[in-house]
Amino acid sequence: SQTIHQWPATLVQPVGSPLSLECTVEGTSNPNLYWYRQAAGRGLQLLFYSVGIGQISSEVPQNLSASRPQDRQFILSSKKLLLSDSGFYLCAWSPISSGNTIYFGEGSWLTVV
Amino acid sequence: GNSVTQMEGPVTLSEEAFLTINCTYTATGYPSLFWYVQYPGEGLQLLLKATKADDKGSNKGFEATYRKETTSFHLEKGSVQVSDSAVYFCALIAYSGAGSYQLTFGKGTKLSVIP
Repeated sequence: SQTIHQWPATLVQPVGSPLSLECTVEGTSNPNLYWYRQAAGRGLQLLFYSVGIGQISSEVPQNLSASRPQDRQFILSSKKLLLSDSGFYLCAWSPISSGNTIYFGEGSWLTVV
Repeated sequence: GNSVTQMEGPVTLSEEAFLTINCTYTATGYPSLFWYVQYPGEGLQLLLKATKADDKGSNKGFEATYRKETTSFHLEKGSVQVSDSAVYFCALIAYSGAGSYQLTFGKGTKLSVIP
């Protein structure tokens, strides 16, 4: 069966520090991968999606970047965090064969102080 | 572009009450429709889905029917429990080309069930 893991689960970082959230998917090949953010009191916002290694599309201009160095690995990064980057970040994947269901990781709580 | 509109919360119900959370959508083509649930302090979980018109998704006593004519996917449960307290998200996924599927969420509806 397929599984998705992301870490760390909780992170407290000072303003201006770097960020790296990692996500891996197991049990499938060539998945579509996604990073979402849920800010406090707001809905989910798609940040990045990827249909293959090295293929990243950005949905909104922001202080973050994403990379896909391997087929089942998706990394969310920032060189310098802002207070507004605080939120709940979710990695997700969907099968490329059908794509009509998206599965989420456990989520990562980021607090920028 | 695609969009999902769901009723704003919070919704507060007594245990064993009937629940309806409205959801309507706009999309090109034929999207699949979903309800996700987020329990306090946890990530998102898929609750149910429907992939074509008139399909009914169901899980844990919750149901939703894909109504193409009204572009709706309302979530219902006949008798809610305290453990159903969570935030519920309506969502659609549609093919956006080049092998990519885009998931669009509503803003979420917080449900609180009191004993």
